[in-house]
Amino acid sequence: NAGVMQNPRHLVRRRGQEARLRCSPVKGHSHVYWYRQLPEEGLKFMVYLQKENIIDESGMPKERFSAEFPKEGPSILRIQQVVRGDSAAYFCASSRLSQGSWAYEQYFGPGTRLTVT
Amino acid sequence: ELKVEQNPLFLSMQEGKNYTIYCNYSTTSDRLYWYRQDPGKSLESLFVLLSNGAVKQEGRLMASLDTKARLSTLHITAAVHDLSATYFCAVVPLSETSGSRLTFGEGTQLTVNP
Repeated sequence: NAGVMQNPRHLVRRRGQEARLRCSPVKGHSHVYWYRQLPEEGLKFMVYLQKENIIDESGMPKERFSAEFPKEGPSILRIQQVVRGDSAAYFCASSRLSQGSWAYEQYFGPGTRLTVT
Repeated sequence: ELKVEQNPLFLSMQEGKNYTIYCNYSTTSDRLYWYRQDPGKSLESLFVLLSNGAVKQEGRLMASLDTKARLSTLHITAAVHDLSATYFCAVVPLSETSGSRLTFGEGTQLTVNP
């Protein structure tokens, strides 16, 4: 069984360019989460999506960042007009359907390491 | 706002010794996770603790959860070099009914010296 797939694994962008990060969840998982890890720090939640719905985006910066999880295809985290402070590792995680307040374990992808020059 | 604090943040220990990493959190929760991260790599799930008093063991690692004290511990027995990594605990608040976004501690960077 394939785990969570992320691509690209490494991405270099100049300031002002756009970055697109892709995440394919574990087969059968309908929940996707994005986290950001700045150098030497822990992971910070960004956004939680189900198919075609954003459930919780409370961790997303208000500007330049957006995320989607279409009916078909991977989840995309999009960063417009990147700045040096966006340099970080971006991890995607997926889980199975949660029932009420009971939620299943999250499986993490290998991450995309974004470097803004 | 949920706060998750780990200590120590840095731990250097000799092979064969025992030590405990602590994870305190600030709100009611009955779900706590421990992850391991090697440099430049993703997170590997170690333990899922889902109830008060839960104890799980895998090899030289044992994790426990005390929901009343809002404390989890990760105990290392007879450490070996292969355990060198950063260990994160992560919590889901009890109030989270629509999902399970994780709030992570700062991580404990463990170095096991021969």
